[in-house]
Amino acid sequence: DVKVTQSSRYLVKRTGEKVFLECVQDMDHENMFWYRQDPGLGLRLIYFSYDVKMKEKGDIPEGYSVSREKKERFSLILESASTNQTSMYLCASSLSRPEQFFGPGTRLTVL
Amino acid sequence: GNSVTQMEGPVTLSEEAFLTINCTYTATGYPSLFWYVQYPGEGLQLLLKATKADDKGSNKGFEATYRKETTSFHLEKGSVQVSDSAVYFCALSDQGYNQGGKLIFGQGTELSVKP
Repeated sequence: DVKVTQSSRYLVKRTGEKVFLECVQDMDHENMFWYRQDPGLGLRLIYFSYDVKMKEKGDIPEGYSVSREKKERFSLILESASTNQTSMYLCASSLSRPEQFFGPGTRLTVL
Repeated sequence: GNSVTQMEGPVTLSEEAFLTINCTYTATGYPSLFWYVQYPGEGLQLLLKATKADDKGSNKGFEATYRKETTSFHLEKGSVQVSDSAVYFCALSDQGYNQGGKLIFGQGTELSVKP
């Protein structure tokens, strides 16, 4: 079974802090994705990556950056956390087909 | 652009009731369609998929048929259980099935099944 793990289930940070969310997948998937999930808005794509060191902006990239130095790891970075970034963050991975496999999510609260 | 619209929740049903969650989409080309489920405290899991018009996806008693003429992919189950309580997301891929691509999600529909 594909396993996608995220570094934290719950995280509390202060406004202005730099925040790192880590995602690791163990199935050699080429594609990795970061979403945020908010009530009534569904999942919105922040960034995705089709290969190591490659990244593309999704629908809501403002305030975020990403890093993919190794195939199995995709990091989401909040350069200066703000309260409107309080959300559930979901990481996913996929092969060349569109089915994505999701991690358990990180619920981030920015105070 | 491509988009997915789901019926608003929450949907509350009694055990053994019939379930329909409506999903319609707007897309160019021939997207693949998916239903994902999110149980409380967990990430999303793929429930079923359909990759071309008239395909029926099915899993765990759930079914959905890809209707190109009505641009719909409604989720149905004949008899729900308490354990089906979850949030259900309809999604489409923005490219052909063998081309990978991104998923575009609906807003999610919360289902609550009472004993």
